[in-house]
Amino acid sequence: DIQMTQSPSSLSASVGDRVTITCRASQGISNYLAWFQQKPGKAPKSLIYAASSLQSGVPSNFSGSGSGTDFTLTISSLQPEDFATYYCQQYNSYPLTFGGGTKVEIK
Amino acid sequence: QITLKESGPTLVKPTQTLTLTCTFSGFSLSTSEVAVGWIRQPPGKALEWLALIYWDDDKRYSPSLKNRLTITKDTSKNQVVLTLTNLDPVDTATYYCVHRKPVPGHWYFDLWGRGTLVTVSS
Repeated sequence: DIQMTQSPSSLSASVGDRVTITCRASQGISNYLAWFQQKPGKAPKSLIYAASSLQSGVPSNFSGSGSGTDFTLTISSLQPEDFATYYCQQYNSYPLTFGGGTKVEIK
Repeated sequence: QITLKESGPTLVKPTQTLTLTCTFSGFSLSTSEVAVGWIRQPPGKALEWLALIYWDDDKRYSPSLKNRLTITKDTSKNQVVLTLTNLDPVDTATYYCVHRKPVPGHWYFDLWGRGTLVTVSS
């Protein structure tokens, strides 16, 4: 199985900050990576697929990059509605696997 | 507009079998490249992929649960059913139904149901 490791597991940031979350795959997955945002009590929401392609309707302050084993999700200017938990997921091979999540909290 | 909705019991006893139904609209599971999957999330924990069924009835399962899982589809009813046997309290989780969207060279889970919380307890 491909293990997905996210870092940090949590972070505190202020509105307007630039935030970067890292996701590392235990083996190369090309760019078969997706990112999701989850707010408390809600289903996850798709943000990015193919490592850097924005899902329709997702604000442009979200961006993704990376290929192979190392990936990043960047929020260029944190907004109040961006405080949530973020997950990466690889779909290079089965079983599909998720990272452990990164909780973005208000400083 | 694509929607997915999970339904099933909220409380199940250990050793019993869980049957969850995903009823969807806005797409057909007979359309090429389309798939529907199940993902679960124990309270306060991360997401775990369980199973996926394709338009052509091909199926994929999580190896750690493969012996206990079955996924089926009823295209005429726009439903996907997941069964999980021999339940244990560790199976307590919110279970999500997800739509797999094909895009050129890729695919991803673009839409999720609201989820249904299943508690396993005697």
